[in-house]
Amino acid sequence: GAVVSQHPSRVICKSGTSVKIECRSLDFQATTMFWYRQFPKQSLMLMATSNEGSKATYEQGVEKDKFLINHASLTLSTLTVTSAHPEDSSFYICSANTGRRVNTEAFFGQGTRLTVV
Amino acid sequence: GESVGLHLPTLSVQEGDNSIINCAYSNSASDYFIWYKQESGKGPQFIIDIRSNMDKRQGQRVTVLLNKTVKHLSLQIAATQPGDSAVYFCAENRGETSGSRLTFGEGTQLTVNP
Repeated sequence: GAVVSQHPSRVICKSGTSVKIECRSLDFQATTMFWYRQFPKQSLMLMATSNEGSKATYEQGVEKDKFLINHASLTLSTLTVTSAHPEDSSFYICSANTGRRVNTEAFFGQGTRLTVV
Repeated sequence: GESVGLHLPTLSVQEGDNSIINCAYSNSASDYFIWYKQESGKGPQFIIDIRSNMDKRQGQRVTVLLNKTVKHLSLQIAATQPGDSAVYFCAENRGETSGSRLTFGEGTQLTVNP
């Protein structure tokens, strides 16, 4: 299947700093990528839809000024957690699908464990 | 062994037994469903999918059943192995027009005892 890579896999940052997480589709182009957040022993919650060349679409309750998303190319989307706080500590996961058709398999990255201290 | 969807998030089975993991979904407009396996510290891994015009689909050692009448989805794993131990999530695509925007269920922790 298609490969989606996230970087870094783990990051520890100080409270008040910003952290950037990258999501890359390695062997396909992705016009749309998705960012999820997962707290321990909980399910994945969709945060936003990243659209290549246009603004991201955020889910209700997700602060767009805190979670900045940039999808500058067909193979790269970035999520920047600004002014991070300990409550932002979580597992962040991106996904992408390989085509424009609906109802296609989504491929997930390996996730990024963010710890804010 | 069998779980009862969102109200029983853990399932423990013996190696070699068959496992059944259940999931209830709420949106009758959902038309595409996927089961994912997630191991600790990793991203979800695709297992099998099914579209709403089907009620059963089989893969290697896995079968997904879809009952649209009661909005219920199940994953059956045959001859469960220790490597199957993980959290299993069902996900639904709510008839979206843009790619795979998925809504995930609560998840079931499957533990396979040797």
